[in-house]
Amino acid sequence: EAGVAQSPRYKIIEKRQSVAFWCNPISGHATLYWYQQILGQGPKLLIQFQNNGVVDDSQLPKDRFSAERLKGVDSTLKIQPAKLEDSAVYLCASSRPMALGGTGELFFGEGSRLTVL
Amino acid sequence: AQSVTQLGSHVSVSEGALVLLRCNYSSSVPPYLFWYVQYPNQGLQLLLKYTSAATLVKGINGFEAEFKKSETSFHLTKPSAHMSDAAEYFCAVSERHFGNEKLTFGTGTRLTIIP
Repeated sequence: EAGVAQSPRYKIIEKRQSVAFWCNPISGHATLYWYQQILGQGPKLLIQFQNNGVVDDSQLPKDRFSAERLKGVDSTLKIQPAKLEDSAVYLCASSRPMALGGTGELFFGEGSRLTVL
Repeated sequence: AQSVTQLGSHVSVSEGALVLLRCNYSSSVPPYLFWYVQYPNQGLQLLLKYTSAATLVKGINGFEAEFKKSETSFHLTKPSAHMSDAAEYFCAVSERHFGNEKLTFGTGTRLTIIP
């Protein structure tokens, strides 16, 4: 089965510009996650979707970050305006809820590396 | 709130030696525990997981981990290190709330293998 797809793999922008990342989860996975991984740190959850609804966005900086999953499949994460501290790898992951036979495992894409100058 | 602590941000072992990466967790409910590996410029790949069955869990590439409730630990081991094991390793905890599984990751341990 195809894995989690993300694009672009790399993006370089200047501060105050905007950027968008796209994620297509594994087919049939209702839950989709966006994580931020700053160099030298573990991934930090930004937002979690169940189908097209937001389950948890408590750590999403809502003044500059937004995310949507309109049809319950693919998702877009946007940053506007970007700050220097947003330089990180943005990881998308998906999973099948345990209530629907999932095991709790998250499947990750290769990530989108953002550099803000 | 759930959390994990990984002791040692960098670990170096000689090729053929024992690998031991430490992880302690905190969770208000019985946890699911995971070890993920990340190679340079790649996403995270599952090594193994504990989901309340056997406390000794075997994973891919010869790795295993033992869940010890009394010590709130889930340390990762491999009897004999290989050069290809050089990577970043992350321990993660998931609280079992059906319909809202969420992983919280530790800060990671970079494993270096000395030839």
